[in-house]
Amino acid sequence: QKEVEQNSGPLSVPEGAIASLNCTYSDRGSQSFFWYRQYSGKSPELIMFIYSNGDKEDGRFTAQLNKASQYVSLLIRDSQPSDSATYLCAVKGGNQFYFGTGTSLTVIP
Amino acid sequence: GAVVSQHPSWVICKSGTSVKIECRSLDFQATTMFWYRQFPKQSLMLMATSNEGSKATYEQGVEKDKFLINHASLTLSTLTVTSAHPEDSSFYICSASGLFGTNQPQHFGDGTRLSIL
Repeated sequence: QKEVEQNSGPLSVPEGAIASLNCTYSDRGSQSFFWYRQYSGKSPELIMFIYSNGDKEDGRFTAQLNKASQYVSLLIRDSQPSDSATYLCAVKGGNQFYFGTGTSLTVIP
Repeated sequence: GAVVSQHPSWVICKSGTSVKIECRSLDFQATTMFWYRQFPKQSLMLMATSNEGSKATYEQGVEKDKFLINHASLTLSTLTVTSAHPEDSSFYICSASGLFGTNQPQHFGDGTRLSIL
């Protein structure tokens, strides 16, 4: 059983702080890694993807991948109340996707 | 780019009715489409995966005769909930993954909120 694990939270951070979301995966053959944001009552939207070890930055978001440790993370700098949502980690190997159950983030004004 | 359109966005109908939900990739060709169901405050639950031109692969516990999936083209997949009952009320979400490369993500539609009375 290929697994993607996320801490369900809730994770609360004050406005302006850095939010750190973590994800581990079991399949060493995984090739692509994605972060989705899902607001309550809405469908998920893709916010970041990363394929290679290291960091990838896009605006306030940074994805970090460590394949040796089978670990992927998402950092949100200068967190805003509008970042309050559930963040889903997804891992792809071949044509198969595996989603974590999501981490609920609340940014407190 | 990578827009997935899902219709209708919400449906209210009587018990016993069949409901069809459409999922279209508007600006890319989707070799694979996925159908999910999500109950309030719960995680996404994958129902089935469909590849264009072939039969859908259903997850364990999902009745393939109740949830009919058709993926007849590279831009369209449909989910038909046959003889729907109140317990089928849920948020149904489709997603699509593109044709080229192993790194293609899933792009989600906006979802269909189904309420069976």
